[in-house]
Amino acid sequence: DAKTTQPTSMDCAEGRAANLPCNHSTISGNEYVYWYRQIHSQGPQYIIHGLKNNETNEMASLIITEDRKSSTLILPHATLRDTAVYYCIVVINTGTASKLTFGTGTRLQVTL
Amino acid sequence: EPEVTQTPSHQVTQMGQEVILRCVPISNHLYFYWYRQILGQKVEFLVSFYNNEISEKSEIFDDQFSVERPDGSNFTLKIRSTKLEDSAMYFCASSWTGMNEKLFFGSGTQLSVL
Repeated sequence: DAKTTQPTSMDCAEGRAANLPCNHSTISGNEYVYWYRQIHSQGPQYIIHGLKNNETNEMASLIITEDRKSSTLILPHATLRDTAVYYCIVVINTGTASKLTFGTGTRLQVTL
Repeated sequence: EPEVTQTPSHQVTQMGQEVILRCVPISNHLYFYWYRQILGQKVEFLVSFYNNEISEKSEIFDDQFSVERPDGSNFTLKIRSTKLEDSAMYFCASSWTGMNEKLFFGSGTQLSVL
């Protein structure tokens, strides 16, 4: 699976948009970009995923550059409960069970 | 939203003892997984399971580990002879399909080996 690079930590004021970048310059054509988060020591929580097109759901938006070498997760109105470690993971489509390779992620701290 | 349930939430055991960690995946899911996270470290893949057999396993998942789906609802991880380094949070996950599907994770079992 392609390797990803994320900043170690970021801060965001409550109510503002949180923009979390991820570089995946070696991504191949059949690899998807997934975002998960882990609040404290809870189980990881799925946020969003995409292949080429930008995606939006009730939690976040995912912007993938045209060359697919980087992406940005956007939390439009961050709250204190969004404080977590955010993982950008590239997953190859093998047709079998999805194996996620977690990195160290970005620790997002949302402040008042 | 449906949940993956794991029991117990905490398990303390002596080195060399066998432990079984239990998980109830989401009812209509077909793919099951175990991950673990040693304190302060990354979340690591252990094993995936589909159609009553292991699909993939990591180097961590050696002969001391086994998985089983003993009935239609439970999914278990057994560690035969625990070691100090097995101390970690163990997460069970499930998905409807294995392809490009989101994984639903449980809240984990904290295993402490003394």
